[in-house]
Amino acid sequence: ETGVTQTPRHLVMGMTNKKSLKCEQHLGHNAMYWYKQSAKKPLELMFVYSLEERVENNSVPSRFSPECPNSSHLFLHLHTLQPEDSALYLCASSQEQAGVSYEQYFGPGTRLTVT
Amino acid sequence: GEDVEQSLFLSVREGDSSVINCTYTDSSSTYLYWYKQEPGAGLQLLTYIFSNMDMKQDQRLTVLLNKKDKHLSLRIADTQTGDSAIYFCAETPGNTGKLIFGQGTTLQVKP
Repeated sequence: ETGVTQTPRHLVMGMTNKKSLKCEQHLGHNAMYWYKQSAKKPLELMFVYSLEERVENNSVPSRFSPECPNSSHLFLHLHTLQPEDSALYLCASSQEQAGVSYEQYFGPGTRLTVT
Repeated sequence: GEDVEQSLFLSVREGDSSVINCTYTDSSSTYLYWYKQEPGAGLQLLTYIFSNMDMKQDQRLTVLLNKKDKHLSLRIADTQTGDSAIYFCAETPGNTGKLIFGQGTTLQVKP
């Protein structure tokens, strides 16, 4: 595997379900990100992890819970979602040096539908 | 504040040049990026330019940066049908590495 991979690629879940999205990067990077892409809206940064510590949480509702067990893996745990949470969830990674991150590389995304 | 604006749609004929424009507000941006998103896929980094440069060329792609006007453009020479996609401009305010994206420009290439 190369680059950034995400599983599953598609997910349909009910509002009472609990599911998790997985992201893995094979680039040796030390920072990872979750973005939400909704129709007709700019990409929204949700969470940033640097060296496995969460450094940014952009006012994301608590029904989204990230986890970064090591620098290669990032999870997004989902529970009691709402239909408006249906979107494409993109994971990205980058190399951070001296507090500055450079170009981000994206995975293919997970298309989430909440019914 | 941090804001990135792009026109939403551009249609060109195959073989023509495409120019996608972007304006941004944060003058402290150190890097500016162009990403491409094909249907059903994630974002692919196309190219980027450092804020002290005016131009960068990479094969069919030319990036122009007018820092005074906070205007960035991406020119695709000899546009092909495979270039049909959504193109996102993004800036990195200050040294945060945080990406601020525009809403994306859909490029339609007609044969």
